Amino acid sequence: DAGVTQSPTHLIKTRGQQVTLRCSPKSGHDTVSWYQQALGQGPQFIFQYYEEEERQRGNFPDRFSGHQFPNYSSELNVNALLLGDSALYLCASSGAGTGHSYEQYFGPGTRLTVT
Amino acid sequence: LAKTTQPISMDSYEGQEVNITCSHNNIATNDYITWYQQFPSQGPRFIIQGYKTKVTNEVASLFIPADRKSSTLSLPRVSLSDTAVYYCLVGDPMDTGRRALTFGSGTRLQVQP
Repeated sequence: DAGVTQSPTHLIKTRGQQVTLRCSPKSGHDTVSWYQQALGQGPQFIFQYYEEEERQRGNFPDRFSGHQFPNYSSELNVNALLLGDSALYLCASSGAGTGHSYEQYFGPGTRLTVT
Repeated sequence: LAKTTQPISMDSYEGQEVNITCSHNNIATNDYITWYQQFPSQGPRFIIQGYKTKVTNEVASLFIPADRKSSTLSLPRVSLSDTAVYYCLVGDPMDTGRRALTFGSGTRLQVQP
């Protein structure tokens, strides 16, 4: 059973460019959340998708957008990249069965470097 | 959301028991306490979750006093592979509008041989 997968593993972009990161959730999970983790910091919540809609959003600008597909996979798009967007981007999935649980399954992340 | 406070770092030796305490004075009635572990360049991994008293699984134990204003993650007989950052989170997982995990800076545990 594959866990959460993310692509690409690493990415280098230039300021002002746009980037798309991809995530496939764990089998059986229907909810995908995205987090940004700067070096030395804890992950910060960007947004969460459920039933192809953004259900909850953290304190991130509109340059950060996302999408969830019918197969529950998801994309994170970041426009007009800034140097400060350099971070590890984590995708996490969860499902209806989690119920009374904050158990989310995280992928290995995509390391984005903006130069 | 209840704010959490935990030590920035801890050191231990192989074979010792490690206890990491998290303070959450403003915990709400419906909030649960959850701990995650993160190794370098990997995503966090769920360790344990509890509401009150004691919870134990194959990885760790979680002790929660009656007032629930703090909690202690206990790792028995740590090994070098337990070197990681440990995050304490507090929230109501049944509140579908607040399913986002709120991570603090965590506790960096360094296990020495």
